[in-house]
Amino acid sequence: GQNIDQPTEMTATEGAIVQINCTYQTSGFNGLFWYQQHAGEAPTFLSYNVLDGLEEKGRFSSFLSRSKGYSYLLLKELQMKDSASYLCAVRAPAGGYQKVTFGIGTKLQVIP
Amino acid sequence: NAGVTQTPKFQVLKTGQSMTLQCAQDMNHEYMSWYRQDPGMGLRLIHYSVGAGITDQGEVPNGYNVSRSTTEDFPLRLLSAAPSQTSVYFCASSKTPLGQTNEKLFFGSGTQLSVL
Repeated sequence: GQNIDQPTEMTATEGAIVQINCTYQTSGFNGLFWYQQHAGEAPTFLSYNVLDGLEEKGRFSSFLSRSKGYSYLLLKELQMKDSASYLCAVRAPAGGYQKVTFGIGTKLQVIP
Repeated sequence: NAGVTQTPKFQVLKTGQSMTLQCAQDMNHEYMSWYRQDPGMGLRLIHYSVGAGITDQGEVPNGYNVSRSTTEDFPLRLLSAAPSQTSVYFCASSKTPLGQTNEKLFFGSGTQLSVL
């Protein structure tokens, strides 16, 4: 089975840095995704990690440790528009194909 | 380029009614799927398809049917709606059945369904 844990809510200040953690326990592992979802909208892709280490994309970075079943999403220079839910999702083999399982999401509120 | 198109955006049903949520993609993606999203539960996979004529069940398939007669379309049918099916539904697609690295999902804009 798959189990993905991430905090339900976080609050951070505009201009600051915030780290959103995700831990997972899955049968098999073929990559971890982070998606951003603004209220009332569809999730949009942020990042993908399949090897250990840090992937940087502008203000957003994502880290993966496969041995620890752990990832984090780092958001720098926070802006008000970063207020959204951040979904951690793990891809794993299932029945000959790949399935993506999502965590419940972390609702981030950026305050002035 | 429209991407993934879902209709309707909002729907209210009475218990026992049936309806079909439409999903179409114009990216020639092989893989299509339906998720429901509920507060505190995250996105849960209902059904998925790895190509025309091939469908399979996800985590929460009961009460839903799907078919994939063309590459572009993947409708989700509620046979007899129940209040427990009140949720936000998302259709998603990717180029392949997620077997390649960095093969992300593209989501439709969602359907908010209420069953009274």
